[in-house]
Amino acid sequence: ETGVTQTPRHLVMGMTNKKSLKCEQHLGHNAMYWYKQSAKKPLELMFVYSLEERVENNSVPSRFSPECPNSSHLFLHLHTLQPEDSALYLCASSQDMGAGQPQHFGDGTRLSIL
Amino acid sequence: GIQVEQSPPDLILQEGANSTLRCNFSDSVNNLQWFHQNPWGQLINLFYIPSGTKQNGRLSATTVATERYSLLYISSSQTTDSGVYFCAVLSWGKLQFGAGTQVVVTP
Repeated sequence: ETGVTQTPRHLVMGMTNKKSLKCEQHLGHNAMYWYKQSAKKPLELMFVYSLEERVENNSVPSRFSPECPNSSHLFLHLHTLQPEDSALYLCASSQDMGAGQPQHFGDGTRLSIL
Repeated sequence: GIQVEQSPPDLILQEGANSTLRCNFSDSVNNLQWFHQNPWGQLINLFYIPSGTKQNGRLSATTVATERYSLLYISSSQTTDSGVYFCAVLSWGKLQFGAGTQVVVTP
């Protein structure tokens, strides 16, 4: 139990569908992150939120839309995805974005685009 | 950006063997984490180690920040140690991951 919960664990969707990934952290942290892990590739940072404000967007296509309604919840809204978007999406949180703050990861959502 | 290199890329171990994984990084970092990703994709925090040495059961890690490397030691390996081990360095609030070391422990 890492204190970071992601749902769903698995998701299969067509390219025209709209779905959302959810992340919830129970650690009282102020920063939350979305990462993408494609097969045979290192984790790639997608978005960073600090105190509910987006502070980083790593050139992610607009078909991925993050939302952070409060410091405990983070969503990733998906629409008109491409087959290459199939990957493991991991959420993480840390106390703050500052130096020396370890990140704690959820179990991930494995996304398959048909 | 900062470069993180892990070696070896792959490692096959007999159960009970010891091994050392290495992580080199190209610039000063605020911190460093080691993770184990199991075959189900779960990413487990192993160590949060900016410098010095830490031990947790059969695993230990050493970071020498001045020389920009960290080592992860696995002793008396077990089949449950199989998976990918990632080193990630924290620089300016961002975690940069290495490509990982794929470890297979055979019975």
